[in-house]
Parts: sequence; structure tokens; C-alpha cells
Amino acid sequence: TQLLEQSPQFLSIQEGENLTVYCNSSSVFSSLQWYRQEPGEGPVLLVTVVTGGEVKKLKRLTFQFGDARKDSSLHITAAQTGDTGLYLCAGGPGTSYDKVIFGPGTSLSVIP
Amino acid sequence: KAGVTQTPRYLIKTRGQQVTLSCSPISGHRSVSWYQQTPGQGLQFLFEYFSETQRNKGNFPGRFSGRQFSNSRSEMNVSTLELGDSALYLCASSYQGLSSYNEQFFGPGTRLTVL
Repeated sequence: TQLLEQSPQFLSIQEGENLTVYCNSSSVFSSLQWYRQEPGEGPVLLVTVVTGGEVKKLKRLTFQFGDARKDSSLHITAAQTGDTGLYLCAGGPGTSYDKVIFGPGTSLSVIP
Repeated sequence: KAGVTQTPRYLIKTRGQQVTLSCSPISGHRSVSWYQQTPGQGLQFLFEYFSETQRNKGNFPGRFSGRQFSNSRSEMNVSTLELGDSALYLCASSYQGLSSYNEQFFGPGTRLTVL
């Protein structure tokens, strides 16, 4: 059974600080996604990474997929209050169709 | 382009009752997946429907069922409600089907409270 763990579970930082959240598994994933969920809303896809060692940047967010495709990290530079939300990683075998496994999430609060 | 819509947004039921939740996917999307989200268990996959056929199912009891109509709209039914069924139920649609390669578009969810 594939499982994803995320750390930290909760994170509260001041606006302007940098942070990194992690997504880990003992299993290999063919691809991994990061979603952000704001209160009262459904998750919204931020990025999909598919190649071991891949790094993708989305403005102040940097995503990295581990070389062995068992882990991923999300780094936010100069956090803003708009970054507040629940960050979820999700992975799967990457076949044409299959269930997608979600991690428990990191709840980020950016304080002005 | 309209997003994924879910109705109702909030629902209060008592133990033993049944409930039906509705999801309208983005126009043109044939895949609809359902998830249960709770603080303790996180986001858990219930099932996926693609072109009216259930293609995949998570580890939930048979009290949880679903269906998809020819216009891709989907319903989820939970019978004999238990207190532990209180959760946010999310549906997500995608064009190509459920896969960690493909983007899923989530609705805002239905908040179900079982008393």
C-alpha cells in the first residue's frame, strides 16, 4: 500500500520568511502533485513533477522531486499572507488511470 | 468556463438516515472522482466514474455508493449514516481520467454533519 507522509503538520510563520515543507514515502511514485486548499474551497493543483531530480518553479514556490522519486519538497520564498492554506501532496503510479493517494497535508499560516 | 459545482454545500443528518450528494463536473470532463476529507484521515479516495462506469474504488464500506449519468453529472449516496461519516465530501473532475499525471479540478465540497 502506497502511503505519503508530510511534515511539518502545522507551520506558522511571519510574512517575508522562507519555509520548506516535505512529502515522503517508502514507495516509488511515477509522478507527484502538489495542491493548495484554502478554507471553504477544494484543493487547487500547483504543480506536477514526473522526473526524478526535477525542479519546477512557480513564482516564489520551488518544487523538487527526489532522485529516487520517493520524496518531494516545496520551498516558499518570502511568504505572503496569500500563501496561507493546506498544502497537499498526491502521488500515483502514473498509469492511464488509477487512484491518487493524498498525504495528510501541511497547514500553513502566514502572519502579517 | 464554469467550475465543478457541488450541492448541497451543507447538510445535517441523523444516524441511520441516508444522504445523496450531487456533483456537476466541468463541461467536457468525463471523469468524476469522490473523496472524503476529515481532520484525522485527510483526503481519502472513494471512487471514480468515467463515462458512466465505475473504474476504481477506495477502501470504503458498501454503504458508500455512486453513479454517473450520461451528462457526466455524478451522485454519491451514503446509506445508514454513522457519526464517523461526518466529513467534507469533495468531488473532482478531469478530462483524461484519474491519474497523478492529470489535473483534477475540485469542487468546494459538501460539508456533511451526522448527529
